[in-house]
Amino acid sequence: NAGVTQTPKFRVLKTGQSMTLLCAQDMNHEYMYWYRQDPGMGLRLIHYSVGEGTTAKGEVPDGYNVSRLKKQNFLLGLESAAPSQTSVYFCASSYGEYQETQYFGPGTRLLVL
Amino acid sequence: AQSVTQLGSHVSVSEGALVLLRCNYSSSVPPYLFWYVQYPNQGLQLLLKYTSAATLVKGINGFEAEFKKSETSFHLTKPSAHMSDAAEYFCAVSGQAGTALIFGKGTTLSVSS
Repeated sequence: NAGVTQTPKFRVLKTGQSMTLLCAQDMNHEYMYWYRQDPGMGLRLIHYSVGEGTTAKGEVPDGYNVSRLKKQNFLLGLESAAPSQTSVYFCASSYGEYQETQYFGPGTRLLVL
Repeated sequence: AQSVTQLGSHVSVSEGALVLLRCNYSSSVPPYLFWYVQYPNQGLQLLLKYTSAATLVKGINGFEAEFKKSETSFHLTKPSAHMSDAAEYFCAVSGQAGTALIFGKGTTLSVSS
């Protein structure tokens, strides 16, 4: 039982490049989330999904897109990376909605030059 | 709407001393409250959560928190700090359908010998 896994662990991009971050969970959770963590800012929600085929915007969605084609996977895309997107990205999943515990992946460190 | 304020971005204690991390919340509906811990270079993991069953909530590693509605607080305590408690701690609130967790900005706990 791996829980929540994230690929890659670390990536360096040049401004304007694109990339996709992959999140996978093996707990059969309906809900999945993408957060970014910046120093002194806590965690801010980028996008989330309440089930396969559904996605919704969070607090800071601009510059990101997501897809949930399979229940176990939640992809976060950056179409044209900017230095402001340098951050640590965390994926999380939960069985249900707001009262449920979220389980976090180990994070992806992204540096945009 | 919900919000969370963590008082003090850094807290330093000696090993064996009381740990007190402060969290105040704002919520227009009965809240669900969480404390998560993040060890260096890892994802977040749940310490404890309040879901209205009991005002004093016990979590892992000897931590506990008390929900005080009159003070809109959910402070985290541990009677005796251990070196392994050094980490970043996040308070989070939720409570409405269709919304995800709102995280505080975090408090870094340092423990000295």
